[in-house]
Amino acid sequence: SQTIHQWPATLVQPVGSPLSLECTVEGTSNPNLYWYRQAAGRGLQLLFYSVGIGQISSEVPQNLSASRPQDRQFILSSKKLLLSDSGFYLCAWSNPRVPRIYGYTFGSGTRLTVV
Amino acid sequence: ILNVEQSPQSLHVQEGDSTNFTCSFPSSNFYALHWYRWETAKSPEALFVMTLNGDEKKKGRISATLNTKEGYSYLYIKGSQPEDSATYLCAFTSTGGGNKLTFGTGTQLKVEL
Repeated sequence: SQTIHQWPATLVQPVGSPLSLECTVEGTSNPNLYWYRQAAGRGLQLLFYSVGIGQISSEVPQNLSASRPQDRQFILSSKKLLLSDSGFYLCAWSNPRVPRIYGYTFGSGTRLTVV
Repeated sequence: ILNVEQSPQSLHVQEGDSTNFTCSFPSSNFYALHWYRWETAKSPEALFVMTLNGDEKKKGRISATLNTKEGYSYLYIKGSQPEDSATYLCAFTSTGGGNKLTFGTGTQLKVEL
């Protein structure tokens, strides 16, 4: 069966520090991968998605970047965090070989607080 | 930009009450509408996916309807229980939108004893 792992669960970082959040998927190959963020009082906003190794699409201009160094690994990074980067970050995957109605499977999320 | 709106933003009900909330989405280029349930400190969990106008889905005490012509979906919970407390998210997929889901802001439900 497929599983998705996301870590860390919580993170408190000072403004200006770097960030690295990692997400890995097991039990499948060539998944579509996604990073979402929920800022306070707002809905889930798609930040990045990837359909393959090294293929990253950015949905919104921001202080963050994403990389996919391996097929089932998706990393969210920042060189210098801003206060506005605080929020709840969710990684998700979908299977491109099944109909799109099957939606996503989510990781358990990372609560990032920038202080 | 696709706008998916949910109302109300939050809801407090008593145990045993029935409740419903709304998701509105663009009626053009519709492909699918998803409902997720998101409990604190857990992953969002898929409840329903609906694709056809007039679709109704049911899972225990929770049901959902879909109107693609006017661009809305209702989620109903019958006889709310404290364990129903969660944020309920709807998400829209458009034709030509690939696998991307556009989420609403969610309805936060709190069921009190």
